[in-house]
Amino acid sequence: GENVEQHPSTLSVQEGDSAVIKCTYSDSASNYFPWYKQELGKRPQLIIDIRSNVGEKKDQRIAVTLNKTAKHFSLHITETQPEDSAVYFCAALSQAGTALIFGKGTTLSVSS
Amino acid sequence: EAQVTQNPRYLITVTGKKLTVTCSQNMNHEYMSWYRQDPGLGLRQIYYSMNVEVTDKGDVPEGYKVSRKEKRNFPLILESPSPNQTSLYFCASSLSGQSNQPQHFGDGTRLSIL
Repeated sequence: GENVEQHPSTLSVQEGDSAVIKCTYSDSASNYFPWYKQELGKRPQLIIDIRSNVGEKKDQRIAVTLNKTAKHFSLHITETQPEDSAVYFCAALSQAGTALIFGKGTTLSVSS
Repeated sequence: EAQVTQNPRYLITVTGKKLTVTCSQNMNHEYMSWYRQDPGLGLRQIYYSMNVEVTDKGDVPEGYKVSRKEKRNFPLILESPSPNQTSLYFCASSLSGQSNQPQHFGDGTRLSIL
């Protein structure tokens, strides 16, 4: 079945720096890749997603890039702020198209 | 307000005592799913439903049951809870029967099985 690897597991940056989180997936048929942000004690919230017909998508300080050949996608956060501190999860659509397979998460800490 | 509502939010109970966690969405979504979240393991799917009366197993279905009698509701049933089911549970829904649509999560239910 689909497997999603996410790196790093923890990431500490200074306010204003950029942060990059990378994920690889195993099923070349996957065509949908969302990213979720989860603050402590709260539900995961979708922050950006990308479908396989595009290579990059941007929303203000957040961008996602997709390399289908290499089967990896990345989340880029620019000009980080303390409120960006959270756990970030990547996910990929399963082979059957019936489930999202999540990475194990990255804890991002932004210090001011 | 569009939302996914789970109840209860917190529950402490004992081994073997049947419990049900309810999930309801008001967005007329076809697809609904249950996940459990454990430290270091991310979110793992328990069961999902593509539409009314259509349910199927996810990655970790052992010890759980679900039903989808109405479009808006997708309860998670633990017939005989055990301590290894202590976890944080999330219900999610998305618009279509194919999950390549954004999933919206409920606020979570923290279960402790003693």
